Order: sequence, then C-alpha cells, then structure tokens
Amino acid sequence: QVQLQESGPGLVKPSQTLSLTCTVSGASVSSGGYYWSWIRQHPGKGLEWIGYMYYSGSTNYSPSLQSRLSISVDTSKNQFSLKLSSVTAADTAVYYCARLSRVAGTETSYYFDYWGQGTLVTVSS
Amino acid sequence: SYELTQPPSVSVSPGQTASISCSGEKLGHKYASWYQQKPGQSPVLVIYQDDKRPSGIPERFSGSNSGNTATLTISGTQAMDEADYYCQAWDSSTVVFGGGTKLTVL
Repeated sequence: QVQLQESGPGLVKPSQTLSLTCTVSGASVSSGGYYWSWIRQHPGKGLEWIGYMYYSGSTNYSPSLQSRLSISVDTSKNQFSLKLSSVTAADTAVYYCARLSRVAGTETSYYFDYWGQGTLVTVSS
Repeated sequence: SYELTQPPSVSVSPGQTASISCSGEKLGHKYASWYQQKPGQSPVLVIYQDDKRPSGIPERFSGSNSGNTATLTISGTQAMDEADYYCQAWDSSTVVFGGGTKLTVL
C-alpha cells in the first residue's frame, strides 16, 4: 500500500521560504515510471499543479511558480521536498504531495493515483 | 497555456444520472482523468485514461472523451457522491486541472 505524508511548518512569514517534505512508504522514489509531485489548493478553491520530479532528477514546474520553486529528492530517506521562496499571503494553501503515474504504452495518459493527506501552510507575520 | 473548463456546479436528484463536462481544445486527442474530493479530504482518482476505473471505484462512475469535451457520468447517483469533481489532463509535459465542479445531490 503506497502512502505519502507531508510534513513541515504550518506557518511561514512573508518573504521567507516555504519548505515541505513528503515521505513515501510502500514505493520507492527511485523507481522509474513515476513522477513525484506537488499540488496545492487555496482555501475554497480548486487544485493547482505546482510541479514534479522524475526519479532521474529531472523536474518540471508550473510556469507561474517556476522562478521561486525547487523540488528535490532524498533517495536515502525515500522523500521528496518542495521549496518555495519569497512567499506572500497568496501562497497560503493546503499543499498535497502525490504520485503521478503514466499508463504504460501511452505518452500522454498521466494520473495521480496516490495523494498525501495535505498540509495547510499559512503565510502570515 | 492549456486550459480545461468545467461548470461550477451540477445538481442531480438521488438515483438519477449526473454528467459533468470538461472542455479543452482538442481534449479528445489527450487523456482525461477525474478526481472526487469531499470536504476536508484529499482528492481520490475515480477515472483515468478517459474511461478506466481504478480498483474500488463503483461501476456507476464512467467516463468518455471525444472532440473537445470529456465527460464524467455518475449513474444512479447517491448522496455519498456529493463532492467536488476535477478533471485533469497532460499537456506539453505539464499537468492541467479543470476548475472543479460542485456536485449537489438533492
């Protein structure tokens, strides 16, 4: 059974860096075929894709966040992490980590099959 | 950038069929997935690759995708199906979500 669990500060001051970690169990972040991802949801709003990292180390980020964003992986701990710099109140949201899987034999069929429980991060002084 | 458009809300009576649309340019040339999210919970995958149901998802959930529109259909809708539903697609190596549809069962 694959499980993901977010952890990190629930309160971050404006202009500082938001840092979250996702601990994965039941699967390896070093395994091919999966994209380890972050998604956020502003209060009362829809889902917003943040970015992902492939096991090879390659990343892809949302264009709107790219300049402030970094996603990395720690294979020794089976974790991946998110760092979002220069945060403002607009970054207040529930942050989810999730596994993005690709259907074998397709190039464009991707879906999130496992999600963490989400963690609320509030940006406030 | 690619966009997916969903109606903000859909209402259905218990036992009836609910249809939730997701529109995007040539979406039928891509694959659509659908997620159900209940208040305070993480999203749950209910349909992937347009019309595939993950293990554990009831048969009343089905999907289709053609032209510019993907559709999630819930047959014999139950009160427990009341939730927000999001479509999702892959475009140019990025993930795109629709804005979400609130399904009300009344």
